[in-house]
Amino acid sequence: DAGVIQSPRHEVTEMGQEVTLRCKPISGHDYLFWYRQTMMRGLELLIYFNNNVPIDDSGMPEDRFSAKMPNASFSTLKIQPSEPRDSAVYFCASTVGGPRQPQHFGDGTRLSIL
Amino acid sequence: QKEVEQDPGPLSVPEGAIVSLNCTYSNSAFQYFMWYRQYSRKGPELLMYTYSSGNKEDGRFTAQVDKSSKYISLFIRDSQPSDSATYLCAMVNTGNQFYFGTGTSLTVIP
Repeated sequence: DAGVIQSPRHEVTEMGQEVTLRCKPISGHDYLFWYRQTMMRGLELLIYFNNNVPIDDSGMPEDRFSAKMPNASFSTLKIQPSEPRDSAVYFCASTVGGPRQPQHFGDGTRLSIL
Repeated sequence: QKEVEQDPGPLSVPEGAIVSLNCTYSNSAFQYFMWYRQYSRKGPELLMYTYSSGNKEDGRFTAQVDKSSKYISLFIRDSQPSDSATYLCAMVNTGNQFYFGTGTSLTVIP
């Protein structure tokens, strides 16, 4: 049973470049979450979807961040333009039934903006 | 004030010790409580899930919820080096808002 799959695992890019992170949730899961984790701030919720529709994007830092879920098996998180302060580990998670249910996390994308 | 407070540690214990990890919260509407374990360079994975007050045991792990004190705990008995990880608490309120603690880093020394 495949878990949540994220790509790439590592990304190093220069400030100002566009960054696209990808996530494939567990088949059958109807909720998808994007998080950012740093030492200083811990795990922060950025946005989550239910049945491909964004439900809460209040955690998205600013207009440079955007997320899409074109279908039930794929989501992207895009940063344009990227800045050094965006450096973090970005996690995708999915679950079935809602936020009260345990979430299944991918192994994250380690993003470094130079 | 944060919704969920968790001591970041780090916590270092000898193998075989009993470990106590704790989180406090301010909102009495929290009903669902979880503990996740996160190994280095991996995503968090669910360890324990409890609803409302009381204790839940799973092998060497016990999750405890004290709603009157707004306090949850995770106890690890006979700790092993393989328990070395970061432990995050998570809570969900009746409005489906959810929050994670910042995590406690644990090292079990052989």
